[in-house]
Amino acid sequence: EADIYQTPRYLVIGTGKKITLECSQTMGHDKMYWYQQDPGMELHLIHYSYGVNSTEKGDLSSESTVSRIRTEHFPLTLESARPSHTSQYLCASGEGAGLAVWNEQFFGPGTRLTVL
Amino acid sequence: AQTVTQSQPEMSVQEAETVTLSCTYDTSESDYYLFWYKQPPSRQMILVIRQEAYKQQNATENRFSVNFQKAAKSFSLKISDSQLGDAAMYFCSLIQGAQKLVFGQGTRLTINP
Repeated sequence: EADIYQTPRYLVIGTGKKITLECSQTMGHDKMYWYQQDPGMELHLIHYSYGVNSTEKGDLSSESTVSRIRTEHFPLTLESARPSHTSQYLCASGEGAGLAVWNEQFFGPGTRLTVL
Repeated sequence: AQTVTQSQPEMSVQEAETVTLSCTYDTSESDYYLFWYKQPPSRQMILVIRQEAYKQQNATENRFSVNFQKAAKSFSLKISDSQLGDAAMYFCSLIQGAQKLVFGQGTRLTINP
């Protein structure tokens, strides 16, 4: 399995709380991504990073924020959780400079977030 | 903008038989790559197979093969000799110059013993 980790795996939290979902990879990949996976299982890119101090918003608007201070670490933060944030969050990383067939992404196990 | 469409939300197949999952895509780029990912229940998403758009030869990985029809923008996945461990959500995806994966809606594959 890929060396990419997410914690916690499951989180149940009340409305208004601040939460941080952790994602770490030990592969030295420059590219990292956060996806939100809805109950219908469709994946939506919410944030990505191509290296340290680089962060971009993805295709799906999200109230979450991310940071990339270290290559291996790409945490996602929700300042004030709401029930609409309930979802599965998947982190991924990838290597490769430029476009190449080796641009596959390695996925973490996911964090299932429930906001009450 | 590029899109990926999987028109089969669910598929089922008898163990040891062959099943084909459909995928169509749309892109204006000439240089891109296509992937099939597998997400087993409660387990990590993993890559199944990849295809370079500039290669006419269809990719194969053991029991998994693709039928890549570039002109038709079609990229189907064939699983031969289906096994119980093949049960999962399968996602077709595309990557091009922006280097962001675009995923289809997914197909849930059930293997009947």
